[in-house]
Parts: sequence; structure tokens; C-alpha cells
Amino acid sequence: DADVTQTPRNRITKTGKRIMLECSQTKGHDRMYWYRQDPGLGLRLIYYSFDVKDINKGEISDGYSVSRQAQAKFSLSLESAIPNQTALYFCATSDFAGKTGATGTQYFGPGTRLLVL
Amino acid sequence: GQNIDQPTEMTATEGAIVQINCTYQTSGFNGLFWYQQHAGEAPTFLSYNVLDGLEEKGRFSSFLSRSKGYSYLLLKELQMKDSASYLCAVRDWGNTPLVFGKGTRLSVIA
Repeated sequence: DADVTQTPRNRITKTGKRIMLECSQTKGHDRMYWYRQDPGLGLRLIYYSFDVKDINKGEISDGYSVSRQAQAKFSLSLESAIPNQTALYFCATSDFAGKTGATGTQYFGPGTRLLVL
Repeated sequence: GQNIDQPTEMTATEGAIVQINCTYQTSGFNGLFWYQQHAGEAPTFLSYNVLDGLEEKGRFSSFLSRSKGYSYLLLKELQMKDSASYLCAVRDWGNTPLVFGKGTRLSVIA
């Protein structure tokens, strides 16, 4: 079974709709991240969370919100979807780099392809 | 600010060696990572450097020079399945999230 899972894998929605993308992990990592990827722009950080009580904005958080329901679950919401939010969305997890032997490598889920019409 | 530069595209021949360069300017430094990403798929971790020098892992090696803000990924004995994008990412300090370059799309031709 995959260590980091995302649902749904594909989603088509209309402008103005609220949608939620979900991420679950079995790696036991405290840290979770949401990125979006657009052609020519690379991976850009939306939000990240270092533990259940910690939420931080990334580079492009406007128009998005997140919820860390448990150590293993981190959801991304688009409150009112717009066409320029069409992208490939990745969830990632990592360990704390300060732990003995840990490098803080980020491991990615399979991605959600979102199309906003 | 943070800036990570890598070539947009490269082409190499099956069986050959290719070097993908990455330069970075960040406020601090706490690790450089290389990922491989096939089209439409998730990035997968390839290598990690935090000290100067070469890290070798099978056909893949990664080099780091912190004083020059420079890294490269070396792929030997290229195979068609190595056609993918290669992402350079830096953690600038502490345990902050990785910042990614835009990736280098490598095409391996026969």
C-alpha cells in the first residue's frame, strides 16, 4: 500500500464551487505539505503543517485553506474555485530533520489533477 | 530571497552520461535534494547532499559545493526510462519546507 495517498485522483468542478482534496499518510511523519504544480512554474508551496496544532501559509495560499484533522490527515480546500486554480496538486510528508539520522526528505503522494471550468 | 536555477531541457543518448546542473541563492543552507518526476506522476526522491562532495547511488551521483551555491546530478549509462524531469530543491535553514527549482526535462534518445 502507498505511504501517502490522495483523493480524489482527478476532479472536474465549476467556477465558484467549494471542493476539498484529501491526503492521508502511514509514514508516521509529523510534517505535511500541499504543493501545486503548473507547467513552466514548477512546484509551489500552498500550506504546510509541522504538527496537528500548527498551520503555516506558503508562497501561494490565497484562495486556499487547510485542515489538519490528525497526524495522518491533511486536507486542502478551495473555497470558491476559479479557473486559474486548474493544476496538479501534490501532498507531501517529511520527518523532522533534527532527529538522529533523519534528513527531512519530503515524500510525495500521487497527486490530484484538478480542472476548474 | 530564494532562487534556484537549472536548465529547462536537455537531450542525451542512451548509454551516455549526462550532468544536470543546479545553482542556488538562499538566505541559509540546510540540505539540497534531487527528485525525479515522470510526466503526470509524483516526484520521487533521488539524493540528498548537506556536506560538500559527491554522493553516489548506483547509476546516479550528486555533487555539492556550498561555497559556490552549486550542485549537479550525474546520470550514467542512460536508459530510455531515465527520460523525466529532474527537480533540484533546497532547504534554506532549519526545518523549513523545500524550495524547488522549475526542473530540467531530460529526453533520452536512441
